[in-house]
Amino acid sequence: GESVGLHLPTLSVQEGDNSIINCAYSNSASDYFIWYKQESGKGPQFIIDIRSNMDKRQGQRVTVLLNKTVKHLSLQIAATQPGDSAVYFCAENYNNAGNMLTFGGGTRLMVKP
Amino acid sequence: DAGVIQSPRHEVTEMGQEVTLRCKPISGHNSLFWYRQTMMRGLELLIYFNNNVPIDDSGMPEDRFSAKMPNASFSTLKIQPSEPRDSAVYFCASSLGQGAGYTFGSGTRLTVV
Repeated sequence: GESVGLHLPTLSVQEGDNSIINCAYSNSASDYFIWYKQESGKGPQFIIDIRSNMDKRQGQRVTVLLNKTVKHLSLQIAATQPGDSAVYFCAENYNNAGNMLTFGGGTRLMVKP
Repeated sequence: DAGVIQSPRHEVTEMGQEVTLRCKPISGHNSLFWYRQTMMRGLELLIYFNNNVPIDDSGMPEDRFSAKMPNASFSTLKIQPSEPRDSAVYFCASSLGQGAGYTFGSGTRLTVV
């Protein structure tokens, strides 16, 4: 039957392991991408961004990879911690959309101690 | 900077009443966005302002919803009359402009009974 509510893909990882969260974006003209983290009861928080002239960008414990050929974006989190448990959203901006970001549906990351 | 400030944090109101949600964007940001988040539909863009001017309001569900931005430091989202299906978390976000990420507020959880 029909599911009630938005079904979020869930990734469950052991504390200390690496996490990879994937996102397929929709518009080949998109030139700017962002990953957001949303913890329960809070607004989405900026994690890392990447522009279309790059394939990879690293932050502290996080890496974003961009594959424009297949319109795929991934977020890698090294040594995942309980505090990383949240819903993660990717967002894309295409240059004919002004300043509008289009958000993906989100992936829930659960970190097991 | 205190970030994007939204008020109230929680609002419980009776069906038919007017509800006003408030947002103070980050100083210097010239774009402001109102989003609604529900379990059923995820994160939905309602309306987007650039330099205090509404640019895209195609996401506003119906005439009961209206948004204003009288100056660069304040915006309101009004629902009149409110209905139970308007129950959601409403987020305000601001941005420096195209190619910049959004900073979200903590949201207003609206419950219409």
